[in-house]
Amino acid sequence: DIQMTQSPSSLSASIGARVTITCRASQNIITSLNWYQQKPGRAPKLLISAASNLQSGVPSRFSGSGSGAEFTLTISSLQREDFATYFCQQSYGIPSFGGGTKVEIK
Amino acid sequence: VQLLQSGPGVVKPSQTLSVTCAISGDRVANDSVAWDWLRQSPSRGLEWLGRTYLRSKWYEEYAVSVRGRITITPDTSRNEFSLQLNSVTPEDTALYYCARGIAPARGLYWFDSWGQGTLVTVSS
Repeated sequence: DIQMTQSPSSLSASIGARVTITCRASQNIITSLNWYQQKPGRAPKLLISAASNLQSGVPSRFSGSGSGAEFTLTISSLQREDFATYFCQQSYGIPSFGGGTKVEIK
Repeated sequence: VQLLQSGPGVVKPSQTLSVTCAISGDRVANDSVAWDWLRQSPSRGLEWLGRTYLRSKWYEEYAVSVRGRITITPDTSRNEFSLQLNSVTPEDTALYYCARGIAPARGLYWFDSWGQGTLVTVSS
């Protein structure tokens, strides 16, 4: 099974800050990596597919990059509605998720 | 696409967990997508359980962690699909989600629509 490790597990940031979340795979997964946002009491929402493809309706301040085994999700200017938990998910093998990164207000 | 889940919130140990996902805005028989079940718990995080999909015939695929206890069944007449998990233990306590899986190319697979989640507690 492919293991996904996210870092950090949590972070505090101010409105307007640039935020970067990292996801590492236990093997090369090429670009088979997706990012989700989850708010309390809600289901995850797909933000980015195939490492860097922004989903329709997702603000352009979100971006994804990486290939192989290391990927990043960047929020260029954090907004109040971005405070949530973010998960990566690989699809190279049986789908598996990272442990999540909780983004909190500083 | 909207997915609406229904099912009991409490199941006794050793019994069967059943959750149904009703689909609107798509068809369970759509041969371009898959229909998945996942769960989320503090101890196990987000975990994919399995999926069903139609590609000239119906297929089911299941996670190793639940294989032998799980059945995912499509119902074309009701346009829904269901999850059954047998012989549950307290470790199966989790928030269960249904989702639509999109696979545009080999190695690419994501969940673009999710149900609202069903909290299932395994307790006597």
